[in-house]
Amino acid sequence: AQSVTQLGSHVSVSEGALVLLRCNYSSSVPPYLFWYVQYPNQGLQLLLKYTSAATLVKGINGFEAEFKKSETSFHLTKPSAHMSDAAEYFCAVSASEKLTFGTGTRLTIIP
Amino acid sequence: GAGVSQSPSNKVTEKGKDVELRCDPISGHTALYWYRQSLGQGLEFLIYFQGNSAPDKSGLPSDRFSAERTGGSVSTLTIQRTQQEDSAVYLCASSFHRQGRNTGELFFGEGSRLTVL
Repeated sequence: AQSVTQLGSHVSVSEGALVLLRCNYSSSVPPYLFWYVQYPNQGLQLLLKYTSAATLVKGINGFEAEFKKSETSFHLTKPSAHMSDAAEYFCAVSASEKLTFGTGTRLTIIP
Repeated sequence: GAGVSQSPSNKVTEKGKDVELRCDPISGHTALYWYRQSLGQGLEFLIYFQGNSAPDKSGLPSDRFSAERTGGSVSTLTIQRTQQEDSAVYLCASSFHRQGRNTGELFFGEGSRLTVL
């Protein structure tokens, strides 16, 4: 069995501030973990992924995430938010052929 | 085409009617997925194809839902006797993944928005 929980369906941060989007997972096997982003009126695209190599993973647009087994977490961060980061972000876990997604976090950037 | 193409982009139908949603994956991608996106519900897995076979159809909500894939390419998701709770965005994705744990990137289409009146 596999699942992810995203804490906070909506997050607002000021432009230039730290972005922190939380994701906790549950998996019966060592997980592979993903963050996807969905910009308005667009399909989802992969932001970054963890597949048991380095625990700190860097993705596109300055985002990164750290896999912490002890905390069963894979939180997404970005040091300085840009207006263009406004989107919905989905955490996902893979323990089989399919990806299981969380309910998403909508990120709003305040000018 | 360069990406995953879905049609129609929008569909409004009356309760009780049947609908078909189409997905054209990226050429050469062997794996194809259908997900449903509802407000506040995230992405709900429906079915997974490897070639023309569906090894995992565990997410189909009821026997009103069915899907097929032909020629290892185009897939159609059919919803019979639609209900209002079927209203959602239906997303298709494809990837190179062949077997075992999925470590790859899923490429998503822009979705088909279904509204059942």
